[in-house]
Amino acid sequence: GQQVMQIPQYQHVQEGEDFTTYCNSSTTLSNIQWYKQRPGGHPVFLIQLVKSGEVKKQKRLTFQFGEAKKNSSLHITATQTTDVGTYFCAGETSGAGSYQLTFGKGTKLSVIP
Amino acid sequence: DGGITQSPKYLFRKEGQNVTLSCEQNLNHDAMYWYRQDPGQGLRLIYYSQIVNDFQKGDIAEGYSVSREKKESFPLTVTSAQKNPTAFYLCASSRNSGANVLTFGAGSRLTVL
Repeated sequence: GQQVMQIPQYQHVQEGEDFTTYCNSSTTLSNIQWYKQRPGGHPVFLIQLVKSGEVKKQKRLTFQFGEAKKNSSLHITATQTTDVGTYFCAGETSGAGSYQLTFGKGTKLSVIP
Repeated sequence: DGGITQSPKYLFRKEGQNVTLSCEQNLNHDAMYWYRQDPGQGLRLIYYSQIVNDFQKGDIAEGYSVSREKKESFPLTVTSAQKNPTAFYLCASSRNSGANVLTFGAGSRLTVL
C-alpha cells in the first residue's frame, strides 16, 4: 500500500533558527496536504499543494511539492515559540471512488526560547 | 459556528466493555472519518464514510464498528475485540471524497483500565 515517510521525527531548535520537515511518498500523489497539531490539540489544516513543483508561502512558512509529485517539504524561517507542535503531511492518491489519504508520522517541533 | 463536536473528551472504561464515541458535524460535509492517534504513530485510519448508510474499512478497522444513519453523525464503537483500545481518537470530515481537506474534531481520549 501507499506509504508516506516523514523526517525527522523530532526537531529541537533555538528560537530564531530555521526548521524543515520532509515527506516522501512511495507513489505519485495527486496532492499533498500539511497539518499542524499543537500540544494537546487536534490537527488543523495548513495548506494543500496540487501542481508539480508548486511552492506556496504563508508568512514564515514555505511549502514545496516536488517535480515528480512524490515528495514535499515545509520550511519555517526564524522559528517562534508559537510554532511549537507536530507537523503532519498527508498524501492523496487518485482512486476509483475510494479514499486514499495517507498521513506521515509527523515531525514534532520544539522551540527553545 | 460550524464545526465537529466529539464527545466525551475523556473516557475511562474497564477491559471487556464496549464504548461508543460520538461525532457530530454541522458543516454539511459529505464524508466523515475516524482516526486513531498513538504517540509516534501519526494518524491511522479506522473507518470512513463517503455517504449516508455507507462506510468503508480503513487500515486498522479490526475491533471497531461504525454507523452512518445521518449525514451529521458518525459514531464509533470500540468493541471488546479491540486488543489495545487506549488511544486518542479523532473524528474528521470533508466536503467530499475527491478533495479531502479534513476538518478535525477536538478528539476523545479513551483509557482502558
